[in-house]
Amino acid sequence: SQTIHQWPATLVQPVGSPLSLECTVEGTSNPNLYWYRQAAGRGLQLLFYSVGIGQISSEVPQNLSASRPQDRQFILSSKKLLLSDSGFYLCAWRAAATDTQYFGPGTRLTVL
Amino acid sequence: EDKVVQSPLSLVVHEGDTVTLNCSYEVTNFRSLLWYKQEKKAPTFLFMLTSSGIEKKSGRLSSILDKKELFSILNITATQTGDSAIYLCAVPTAGGTSYGKLTFGQGTILTVHP
Repeated sequence: SQTIHQWPATLVQPVGSPLSLECTVEGTSNPNLYWYRQAAGRGLQLLFYSVGIGQISSEVPQNLSASRPQDRQFILSSKKLLLSDSGFYLCAWRAAATDTQYFGPGTRLTVL
Repeated sequence: EDKVVQSPLSLVVHEGDTVTLNCSYEVTNFRSLLWYKQEKKAPTFLFMLTSSGIEKKSGRLSSILDKKELFSILNITATQTGDSAIYLCAVPTAGGTSYGKLTFGQGTILTVHP
């Protein structure tokens, strides 16, 4: 069966510091991968998605970037965090020809 | 622009009550509608609906889609404290490079008191 992992689970970072969040998927090949941010326990905002290695689409202009160095690995990064980057970051995967996305456990980021 | 609106935004009930959550949508080339439940962490998948009038059911939860009026409802009967969560509705954006993206509603925060 498929499993999706995210780490770290929580992170407290100072303003201006770098960020690297990692997401990996097991048990499937060539998944579509997604990064979302959720503020204040509400709806999810899509940040990036990837249909394959090295292929990244950005949805929202911002301080963040994403990379997909391997088929089942998706990384969210920032060179310098802003206070507004605080939130709950969720990674999700989707198999081809389906609509359902499955989410990882999330990373709660607090920027101070 | 695709749009998903959920109502109510929050709801407080007592155990045993029945609740109905609403999700209306405006999307081009509708394909499906998904419901998720989110407790402390990751949203977990509940239902995917593609056809009008066909109820999907899982235990005390059920959902139905109306493609003519562009909405879906999620019903929870005999609520329990464990049903307390955010319920999210989402619709895929159709076509081209947008394939596979989900547009989410704001969510309904359900609180069930003992």
